[in-house]
Amino acid sequence: ETGVTQTPRHLVMGMTNKKSLKCEQHLGHNAMYWYKQSAKKPLELMFVYSLEERVENNSVPSRFSPECPNSSHLFLHLHTLQPEDSALYLCASSQEVQGGQPQHFGDGTRLSIL
Amino acid sequence: AQSVTQLDSQVPVFEEAPVELRCNYSSSVSVYLFWYVQYPNQGLQLLLKYLSGSTLVKGINGFEAEFNKSQTSFHLRKPSVHISDTAEYFCAVSDLQGGSEKLVFGKGTKLTVNP
Repeated sequence: ETGVTQTPRHLVMGMTNKKSLKCEQHLGHNAMYWYKQSAKKPLELMFVYSLEERVENNSVPSRFSPECPNSSHLFLHLHTLQPEDSALYLCASSQEVQGGQPQHFGDGTRLSIL
Repeated sequence: AQSVTQLDSQVPVFEEAPVELRCNYSSSVSVYLFWYVQYPNQGLQLLLKYLSGSTLVKGINGFEAEFNKSQTSFHLRKPSVHISDTAEYFCAVSDLQGGSEKLVFGKGTKLTVNP
């Protein structure tokens, strides 16, 4: 496989459930990102990891918990979500965080909170 | 902090017509500029980027964009569109403030190419 792969593609969960989103990149990149894409709003940066270290937490509620076990994998652990958390969650990677490096995106996980 | 304005939320055009999608950003300090395209049920794909040098940047699928520092604009153009160009287009700017580099996106422009 090449590029950035996200699983699952679709997820429906209740507000009391715990689930995890997975992202894997096969590009040899050092930086990985989580974004939230909601209708009528710009993409919102959630978290940034560089060489497995979190370098940005963009005021995201604690019900979202990221994990980066190595430079190829990124997880977003979800618990006690709210209806307004329903959105498309996009993972991206880039060679480095700095220097105008273009980001490569996965196809996203469509999350629906009941 | 940077902000990005995409002036048109929807742009309908006929096949083989030219198109321009407008993008303005807030700061005139040194920036990196990007255009991404998102097809239905997919993630974002890089169309082109401006880092430095020539202000006219050519990208994939026949698109090009012109960096205008005085007008803080980075409009995307294509001289003749195809049905397959129907998608949502996002302008993004690297925000170099605050010690880390972040991409700030506009709200997107939905381009619909009609036969």
